[in-house]
Amino acid sequence: GAVVSQHPSWVICKSGTSVKIECRSLDFQATTMFWYRQFPKQSLMLMATSNEGSKATYEQGVEKDKFLINHASLTLSTLTVTSAHPEDSSFYICSARAGQGLTYEQYFGPGTRLTVT
Amino acid sequence: DQQVKQNSPSLSVQEGRISILNCDYTNSMFDYFLWYKKYPAEGPTFLISISSIKDKNEDGRFTVFLNKSAKHLSLHIVPSQPGDSAVYFCAAVYGGATNKLIFGTGTLLAVQP
Repeated sequence: GAVVSQHPSWVICKSGTSVKIECRSLDFQATTMFWYRQFPKQSLMLMATSNEGSKATYEQGVEKDKFLINHASLTLSTLTVTSAHPEDSSFYICSARAGQGLTYEQYFGPGTRLTVT
Repeated sequence: DQQVKQNSPSLSVQEGRISILNCDYTNSMFDYFLWYKKYPAEGPTFLISISSIKDKNEDGRFTVFLNKSAKHLSLHIVPSQPGDSAVYFCAAVYGGATNKLIFGTGTLLAVQP
């Protein structure tokens, strides 16, 4: 149980285009989903937190107009990188949490490798 | 400002021996800690967790120890197996409504057969 999928697993796009990444919880309802970014040999940096049906909360320094997050249902969240540039190339990982309160564990997707040329 | 630190970027141990991965934190408001294992180009996999009201939690070959006064936790893997080779991240829960995770920088564990 507690499987999270991401699509696509890797994507190459041209500078200036937009890319959408999907994150799905396959066997549970995710009240909260998180989006992370990981640079090579670095830690996972939280970009934003999204709750189903409400606006995402972005971490300091993350441009909300560039990284659009939509948590349309309890099993789907999307991250759209708008007007992508080479510096946006990174490994993007989503996670999902079931329930609230003392449920701290997050289940992670396999990640999406974005390369902007 | 790195609130969760793993000062050893890498660790190499022999198969069958104990692996000890360390993690330090600075924020005394963290109240829950987790360890994740991560392979390249994959998402992290949850291993084990511990509440701040405990000092030890054990699950099979994995044991996590928490020393709140020192703001230090460690993950022990006994016996280590080659399949344990991966990057290990500790994470701390920053409370409130979102309970977001603050990750450490990771330690690459290599278990030599």
